[in-house]
Amino acid sequence: AQTVTQSQPEMSVQEAETVTLSCTYDTSENNYYLFWYKQPPSRQMILVIRQEAYKQQNATENRFSVNFQKAAKSFSLKISDSQLGDTAMYFCAFIRRSQGNLIFGKGTKLSVKP
Amino acid sequence: DAGVTQSPTHLIKTRGQQVTLRCSPKSGHDTVSWYQQALGQGPQFIFQYYEEEERQRGNFPDRFSGHQFPNYSSELNVNALLLGDSALYLCASSLGGLAGYNEQFFGPGTRLTVL
Repeated sequence: AQTVTQSQPEMSVQEAETVTLSCTYDTSENNYYLFWYKQPPSRQMILVIRQEAYKQQNATENRFSVNFQKAAKSFSLKISDSQLGDTAMYFCAFIRRSQGNLIFGKGTKLSVKP
Repeated sequence: DAGVTQSPTHLIKTRGQQVTLRCSPKSGHDTVSWYQQALGQGPQFIFQYYEEEERQRGNFPDRFSGHQFPNYSSELNVNALLLGDSALYLCASSLGGLAGYNEQFFGPGTRLTVL
């Protein structure tokens, strides 16, 4: 069975600084995808960034980037130049290529302080 | 272009009752997945509907059932409500059924409280 672990229940960062959120996962599959989702206090979950397991290059989306270590089964999210609007719950998620069920970690509550 | 919509926003029921939650997928999407998010937890997959059939199911009892209509909208039904069913129910839409490579777009959720 696949599992996703986020070991940091809460984190805080000063505005404009950089923060890294950790995620590890467990799977015996080779064909899968990893995601970071953001859930602001208003509740709607939005995709921040995705990584295909077959790609060695780490994904980046503007201020968001990942450090994907396939052998170590680690998938961390780096947020650069943190903004107040980054305050939210962040969920790491895993899905196999031919499946429909996203498997989520328990989340990390990130607070960006002015 | 409307995103994923869900109704109602909030719902209060008592133990033993039945509830129906509704979801309209993002325009152009044909697949709907339902998740349960308990307070302080990550979402848990309930099931996915594609071509009006349940394609995949998570570890939820038969009290949880669903339906998908020809216009791709979906309903989640929960019978014999328990206190533990209190949660935020999220609907996500995507393309192509069991296609993990396609992004799932989430709705705002329905907050169900069981008293």
